[in-house]
Amino acid sequence: DTAVSQTPKYLVTQMGNDKSIKCEQNLGHDTMYWYKQDSKKFLKIMFSYNNKELIINETVPNRFSPKSPDKAHLNLHINSLELGDSAVYFCASSQGIQANSPLHFGNGTRLTVT
Amino acid sequence: EDQVTQSPEALRLQEGESSSLNCSYTVSGLRGLFWYRQDPGKGPEFLFTLYSAGEEKEKERLKATLTKKESFLHITAPKPEDSATYLCAVQPYNDYKLSFGAGTTVTVRA
Repeated sequence: DTAVSQTPKYLVTQMGNDKSIKCEQNLGHDTMYWYKQDSKKFLKIMFSYNNKELIINETVPNRFSPKSPDKAHLNLHINSLELGDSAVYFCASSQGIQANSPLHFGNGTRLTVT
Repeated sequence: EDQVTQSPEALRLQEGESSSLNCSYTVSGLRGLFWYRQDPGKGPEFLFTLYSAGEEKEKERLKATLTKKESFLHITAPKPEDSATYLCAVQPYNDYKLSFGAGTTVTVRA
């Protein structure tokens, strides 16, 4: 029944490692996103794909690379993890990118870099 | 740059004690203003979209209103299950990105 699912829910790793977070949506949406929520609770967009095409690419380090194999999946790969990467990462989806298309979020992946 | 400021940061209410949350925004042309609810350990859940000043939307004990500079989320006779963080976000005409506020954490005591 889960609409937007992310794995893993928790990720604890050491500095310098490479890790991936996976996201899948079964809502039939054509647009997917990665958001980062920091300790102050601000949600900031990182990337967005529309029909597998990258349409939003915020100023994030090159160590972050999204990949969308199809409209239902959007993964996030992070190279050479740093302490400052610790945060909660949310995947979201929507049908289109207009204001009448609200975002549906997953339950987040809490990344802790030690 | 688009800005969204929410106040207060935290709100503690007694069950049945109505109150309002504020979302002040600065945006170069508003495409839409969104309200979301976020429970601990969960992703934000969509509540409302408002498009133009004067618009109002209701859902159970929640009512959202919009002016040219701010939006209010009114909680009428809240129950403990209304406890959550309420997030406001704006989308400008000239961009697809949402700018989120930091949220208001509401705690309703029985």
